[in-house]
Amino acid sequence: DAMVIQNPRYQVTQFGKPVTLSCSQTLNHNVMYWYQQKSSQAPKLLFHYYDKDFNNEADTPDNFQSRRPNTSFCFLDIRSPGLGDAAMYLCATSRDGRNMGGYTFGSGTRLTVV
Amino acid sequence: AQSVTQPDIHITVSEGASLELRCNYSYGATPYLFWYVQSPGQGLQLLLKYFSGDTLVQGIKGFEAEFKRSQSSFNLRKPSVHWSDAAEYFCAVGEASGNTPLVFGKGTRLSVIA
Repeated sequence: DAMVIQNPRYQVTQFGKPVTLSCSQTLNHNVMYWYQQKSSQAPKLLFHYYDKDFNNEADTPDNFQSRRPNTSFCFLDIRSPGLGDAAMYLCATSRDGRNMGGYTFGSGTRLTVV
Repeated sequence: AQSVTQPDIHITVSEGASLELRCNYSYGATPYLFWYVQSPGQGLQLLLKYFSGDTLVQGIKGFEAEFKRSQSSFNLRKPSVHWSDAAEYFCAVGEASGNTPLVFGKGTRLSVIA
């Protein structure tokens, strides 16, 4: 089945130690999104790629970076994780970004910072 | 700017009872509207979506939602709740044109009791 896969499901990292979360998709969708979701809160958009065009949300900290080497893969890099970055990170895709199809989400990566 | 309000943070219903989760949106034109469900530790799954036409839309798992333009609402309903429906429910709004990412509400947590 076509899907969005996030690895790992659970990630524990040390305070200040760089960490990378990965997302892959077999849907051949043009747009990929990264959301941060803290407990009992709405998903917060960090950035998204429309093909290779990177779109950063204005309030996304510089500590967060992203790479999309090809259509199928997208990575979230946290350069120096702080305790406040502990959250669920959700990857989502959209066929063309025009919202008609909605988004397809991965199962998320739960990040713990110790 | 688009916004979504889910007035109820937490709702508890008895198994077999009916359910209505409220969603109000703010958007200048006709929006695309979505309901997603998130089980604990999982990503978001699309329940249903509205673009145009019939204001009552059917979704998966026996859910339906009604778009009421005059009230700027898109409430989610289910006639008989099952214990497996316990989850977090998110309403989202998107532009009908263009590719601005979806905006999510803060979610409503549904608990189901015997």
